[in-house]
Amino acid sequence: AQSVAQPEDQVNVAEGNPLTVKCTYSVSGNPYLFWYVQYPNRGLQFLLKYITGDNLVKGSYGFEAEFNKSQTSFHLKKPSALVSDSALYFCAVRDPLGTDKLIFGTGTRLQVFP
Amino acid sequence: DADVTQTPRNRITKTGKRIMLECSQTKGHDRMYWYRQDPGLGLRLIYYSFDVKDINKGEISDGYSVSRQAQAKFSLSLESAIPNQTALYFCATSDLGLAGSFEQFFGPGTRLTVL
Repeated sequence: AQSVAQPEDQVNVAEGNPLTVKCTYSVSGNPYLFWYVQYPNRGLQFLLKYITGDNLVKGSYGFEAEFNKSQTSFHLKKPSALVSDSALYFCAVRDPLGTDKLIFGTGTRLQVFP
Repeated sequence: DADVTQTPRNRITKTGKRIMLECSQTKGHDRMYWYRQDPGLGLRLIYYSFDVKDINKGEISDGYSVSRQAQAKFSLSLESAIPNQTALYFCATSDLGLAGSFEQFFGPGTRLTVL
């Protein structure tokens, strides 16, 4: 079965430090991978995606993610965290059966401390 | 995303009541989805629709029904609400992905509490 795992419920980081939010996937065929962010009382906002091409994908708000096929991972990164980055982050993979459904991970809460 | 709206934003109801959650979009997308979000479980797909005549069950459709009244409108109904349907509900849209986009665009959510 297709699945996405986010092994950390919460990540804490000091402002100005680099951050990483981890995601691993299990899917048949080539994965289409996404990161979304959810701020309090808001819907999910698209951050970035990997479809094909360069393994390092750049997205909104200075975030980037690295696709690693051998490790089946798609970790979200940012070189210097901001307090305003504090939010809930979801990794998702497109259903490879071509239905465009997204399969979401359980989410990781990022807390950036001043 | 202001292009996808959901009403109501908050609703408190009692067990056994019928509830309808509405979603409208101005993005011109054919595909629409309903998800529920529960703490620690992420988002789970309830129903999805690829056009007005095409409606499909997701992974947790029991206790829910949907109606696609038009390309822009997709409603979710709880025929007889129960407390474990207390959750945050999201509507989302996507296009056909012909341009390789595939991402979904989410509404602001409806917080439903069933007492």
